[in-house]
Amino acid sequence: LAKTTQPISMDSYEGQEVNITCSHNNIATNDYITWYQQFPSQGPRFIIQGYKTKVTNEVASLFIPADRKSSTLSLPRVSLSDTAVYYCLVDDGRNFNKFYFGSGTKLNVKP
Amino acid sequence: SQTIHQWPATLVQPVGSPLSLECTVEGTSNPNLYWYRQAAGRGLQLLFYSVGIGQISSEVPQNLSASRPQDRQFILSSKKLLLSDSGFYLCAGSRANLNTEAFFGQGTRLTVV
Repeated sequence: LAKTTQPISMDSYEGQEVNITCSHNNIATNDYITWYQQFPSQGPRFIIQGYKTKVTNEVASLFIPADRKSSTLSLPRVSLSDTAVYYCLVDDGRNFNKFYFGSGTKLNVKP
Repeated sequence: SQTIHQWPATLVQPVGSPLSLECTVEGTSNPNLYWYRQAAGRGLQLLFYSVGIGQISSEVPQNLSASRPQDRQFILSSKKLLLSDSGFYLCAGSRANLNTEAFFGQGTRLTVV
């Protein structure tokens, strides 16, 4: 199981683009990269998943370089409501989809 | 879409009392189910997971147990609560196929006093 490393916290201001990078140097060939968002006193919520290059949905973009040893979650024009903890997970799903969450990145969006 | 129903939202229990937290799943059949615990300001710790009725795997030795009596029902239990069992408990599910995402309930805030 590939270990992930993320910054503990980040600060941003409303309207800015925020990029959160996750390192996963031991990522395996079959591993996918998934990001979740968690608000206080709520369960995490799926944001985006990718395998390589770039994935975009209505919420975020996920950039994965060719070596796949890192990934960057990009949140365009953040608002105060984007203040949350963001988790990066790497797993190939073979281990019965056991989801291991690290400490995540606490994003604090300021007005 | 898949939904996890989890209750109660908050619970205060005395030390030594039993515990039973239940969650149910809607919107998918034969899901994988999970119980997590989250201490204040920390990440999620996987406690138990289940791939089917009666099939429970424990990740961490502890004062808790889990059961899955029905396909869409997952129960977390304790015979005697400890102070250290306090935390935010989350039930989660996923479809039983590869590279799928997890969906979570709203959680139960347990305080053991």
